[in-house]
Amino acid sequence: EPEVTQTPSHQVTQMGQEVILRCVPISNHLYFYWYRQILGQKVEFLVSFYNNEISEKSEIFDDQFSVERPDGSNFTLKIRSTKLEDSAMYFCATVGESQDEQFFGPGTRLTVL
Amino acid sequence: GEDVEQSLFLSVREGDSSVINCTYTDSSSTYLYWYKQEPGAGLQLLTYIFSNMDMKQDQRLTVLLNKKDKHLSLRIADTQTGDSAIYFCAESMNRDDKIIFGKGTRLHILP
Repeated sequence: EPEVTQTPSHQVTQMGQEVILRCVPISNHLYFYWYRQILGQKVEFLVSFYNNEISEKSEIFDDQFSVERPDGSNFTLKIRSTKLEDSAMYFCATVGESQDEQFFGPGTRLTVL
Repeated sequence: GEDVEQSLFLSVREGDSSVINCTYTDSSSTYLYWYKQEPGAGLQLLTYIFSNMDMKQDQRLTVLLNKKDKHLSLRIADTQTGDSAIYFCAESMNRDDKIIFGKGTRLHILP
């Protein structure tokens, strides 16, 4: 069964550093999303991306965040200058044209020290 | 705004049925979901129901939807130790819209 993959599984970084989280969507999926889950809290929507542009973003997704599909396959989330409160699990999700389900990746655990 | 509420904890004896309840505020929600998250793992879609349905059954899982009260429940029959996890209720307006999650109900199985 096709699946969404994410790399790395765990990233540790120093406050103020830039991080790039990567997602490989299911082939032929057209809608992409990033969510985050701070430890012990609920999963929160960050951004949705369709047709090479952001379709919706939450108030969490400020100027420190950006998304892109640099090579037409990977879907990346960049945090320009990480803060301690960015420590969370980040999930990528994708949806195909003919499906009802958002497929979630296994997540990247980001730890900011 | 959109919100999804669910109780935080539920303890059930092995073999009994578990019922996890959820309420949501957005009456325009079309898709209502139940996700399962095991410790340290990602999100597994268990089942979903369209807002024009009132019940869906899938093996040990039964989802009931009361659209008038905006109440969703998940019943797990014959609860097993492997069902121990956090269960998230969630909703979205359309299948390609953002998903709004509840805080999750931690299901604890008693021997």
